[in-house]
Parts: sequence; C-alpha cells; structure tokens
Amino acid sequence: ETGVTQSPTHLIKTRGQQVTLRCSSQSGHNTVSWYQQALGQGPQFIFQYYREEENGRGNFPPRFSGLQFPNYSSELNVNALELDDSALYLCASSLAGHIEAFFGQGTRLTVV
Amino acid sequence: EDQVTQSPEALRLQEGESSSLNCSYTVSGLRGLFWYRQDPGKGPEFLFTLYSAGEEKEKERLKATLTKKESFLHITAPKPEDSATYLCAVPRYGGATNKLIFGTGTLLAVQP
Repeated sequence: ETGVTQSPTHLIKTRGQQVTLRCSSQSGHNTVSWYQQALGQGPQFIFQYYREEENGRGNFPPRFSGLQFPNYSSELNVNALELDDSALYLCASSLAGHIEAFFGQGTRLTVV
Repeated sequence: EDQVTQSPEALRLQEGESSSLNCSYTVSGLRGLFWYRQDPGKGPEFLFTLYSAGEEKEKERLKATLTKKESFLHITAPKPEDSATYLCAVPRYGGATNKLIFGTGTLLAVQP
C-alpha cells in the first residue's frame, strides 16, 4: 500500500508567478484535501475534491484552485503569488465517508 | 465558532520525565478527535482517533484520552526521539465536505 506522495518537496517562486503542486493519494482513497500550514500554525483547510469536483472550500481566495483526476490524484494551483503564500502545503487523502485523513510529506513553498 | 486550542505551546522535558499535552475543543456534535505527530518540515503523521468520551488509546509511550470537552496526550518516560510537534484536530462536516480543524500544536523537546 502506497502512502500519500507530494511533489515537489521544495520550490521557490517570485511574487506574481503561478505555481502547481501535485499529490498522489493513498491507494484506494478517493477524496483529497489540501491544507496550508504557516510556520508555527496548525494546517488550514483550503479545499476538498471528490469525484473530480470541488465539494468544499475554506477561507481562501479564488486564485487558489485545484483539480482531481480520474486516478484520484490532485493538483493545487496558486496564481498571482503573494509573499504570504509562503507556507507548507499539505495534501491529505481519505475514503469518502471515513473521517481519518492521511497526509503527505508536504511541499515547502517560498515566495520571494 | 468551532475551535481547537492546545496547551502548552511548547514543553521541554528531560528523558524519562512523564507529562501530558492538552487539547480543548468547542465544537457541536463531536464525531471524533485526531492526534498527529509532525516532525519539522514534514507532513503530520497519524497517531490516534478517539470517537467518544471515556475512550483511551495507546501506542508505545503515548496514551490519548478523551472527555466531553478536551483530550489529553500522555507521554510516559519520553525519549529524545519523541521530540516533535503534536497536533490535535477535529473533523467538521458541511454538506459533502469533511474538513479538519487543527489546533496550533504543542512543540515537545525531550532532552537526553
């Protein structure tokens, strides 16, 4: 059984650029959620995908968008990057109807 | 508003010195509470799920307990490798979305 994998592990972007982060869910898990974790804070919910559709969103602007693919993998896209977008981005997968969520190792995004 | 509060923010222990971390919550209709361990720059690692008041779960030197208002993570005779940030989270349901609300974590340092 493979766990949740994210890529890349680190990247540095310039303010105003766009970025795409990727996530492969744990084998058999059909629901993917994305979280943003600022330094010293707990993860904050960005949005969730199930059956290739967004089915819930946290308090994040529309420049945060995502996709889920038929194999349940997912992408997080952030446009017009701001310095405050610097954070650890976490992907979590789960089975629909189950409350346990399992996280990937995260992508550390630095915006300069 | 649903809220999860963890204390203390940071805790320094000597190896073998037992202690407890606290997670208090104000949510309606609790459906479970999770504990995660997070190493620096990594994603949260799932430890326990507690479903109802009075429930206890153990894993090696860790024991998690749950009451109607709070949860405790007891660490017995900790070792330096137990050093990490410990996060608690509760699931919230809104429509089709199942998201986690996290506390800010307790940073545990165990000195040899």
